[in-house]
Amino acid sequence: DAGVTQTPRHEVAEKGQTIILKCEPVSGHNDLFWYRQTKIQGLELLSYFRSKSLMEDGGAFKDRFKAEMLNSSFSTLKIQPTEPKDSAVYLCASSLNNYAEQFFGPGTRLTVL
Amino acid sequence: GDSVTQTEGLVTLTKGLPVMLNCTYQTTYSPFLFWYVQHLNEAPKLLLKSSTDNKRTEHQGFYATLHKSSSSFHLQKSSVQLSDSALYFCALSHNAGAKLTFGGGTRLTVRP
Repeated sequence: DAGVTQTPRHEVAEKGQTIILKCEPVSGHNDLFWYRQTKIQGLELLSYFRSKSLMEDGGAFKDRFKAEMLNSSFSTLKIQPTEPKDSAVYLCASSLNNYAEQFFGPGTRLTVL
Repeated sequence: GDSVTQTEGLVTLTKGLPVMLNCTYQTTYSPFLFWYVQHLNEAPKLLLKSSTDNKRTEHQGFYATLHKSSSSFHLQKSSVQLSDSALYFCALSHNAGAKLTFGGGTRLTVRP
């Protein structure tokens, strides 16, 4: 079985650009999560979908971050406009249901110059 | 709101020694606790999980016991190996939702 896939693995953007990160969850999973990982802040939840419905949009990340899930097998995270402080690893994870293990993708390392 | 505290940011040990990584949590709901491990340049992976009070859970030589009385879920291993060097996250969920609340993480470095 395929795990969670994320593309691209690396992204370099200029300040002010729009970037779109992509995620394909494990087939059959109902919950999808977007996280940002930095050494200082650790793992921060950006968005959480259940059966394609947005359950949480990460509060402080609302203004420039927008996650969408148009179908059960594909999600995107748009950052617009990017800022240098957005440089981080963006992780996508999926799980079957409540209390189940979250499976993480390999992440996208974003560098904003 | 929910919170998870990992008191050690960095732990360095010599191979063969025992280790305990601390994890305490706060929630008003019935807790589900997880330990995830992340090796360098890899995705986090589940190591252990538990929702049963006072029952030891084991996997790959690591073990942890959920103690609801003290709101703790410490991770232990009796003899660390070089391959255990990684970032360890404690995480909390509960019966009111699937979202995980992560602790800040503990980086374990095992030296020869």
